Amino acid sequence: EVQLVESGGGLVQPGGSLRLSCAASGFTFSSYWMSWVRQAPGKGLEWVANIKQDGSEKYYVDSVKGRFTISRDNAKNSLYLQMNSLRAEDTAVYYCARDRGTYCGGDCYGYWGQGTLVTVSS
Amino acid sequence: DIQMTQSPSSLSASVGDRVTITCRASQGISNSLAWYQQKPGKAPKLLLYAASRLESGVPSRFSGSGSGTDYTLTISSLQPEDFATYYCQQYYSTPPLTFGGGTKVEIK
Repeated sequence: EVQLVESGGGLVQPGGSLRLSCAASGFTFSSYWMSWVRQAPGKGLEWVANIKQDGSEKYYVDSVKGRFTISRDNAKNSLYLQMNSLRAEDTAVYYCARDRGTYCGGDCYGYWGQGTLVTVSS
Repeated sequence: DIQMTQSPSSLSASVGDRVTITCRASQGISNSLAWYQQKPGKAPKLLLYAASRLESGVPSRFSGSGSGTDYTLTISSLQPEDFATYYCQQYYSTPPLTFGGGTKVEIK
């Protein structure tokens, strides 16, 4: 069974940093693109970033470029999101997500974690 | 970036009703469209991909159609467990991958 478990969320002051982790199990982690998707309170879904299987390609939504860094450790079956220079508008539940496996080129999310809440406030 | 516009943003319906939600892309996306259902406090769940392909385990009352820039999600007979928020998402031109604003389906 595919499982994605996020951790690392919490309360941080504006300008601060936080590192999110996603522990993956139940599948061959090194074979899949992985992504982060966030949802601000009461708002819709926003794709944040994704990373290729070997970490050689990474992409970000414009609003986080230069502040967030996605990475992975295939030996530990783990995905990470380093968030620096955090702003109030980064407040959201952050989900780790994996593609369903076929047909969507890596971009249909058939598997999601439970999410971890990041609150940026003074 | 491709913008995805969903309508309506909310609707009220009764159990047994046929419900249709529309998603319009700012440019053609060649059926590269997914639909998700999200219930409060839960992660989204993939319902359909490639505009009309039903994800494994999803009831057949859910269906998708469309082409070019315009797509629809139809629930043929609304069930109590279907009251939720629905999102479309394009994966034709990425990055960035983009979602619609959501449609909340409420009980009438």
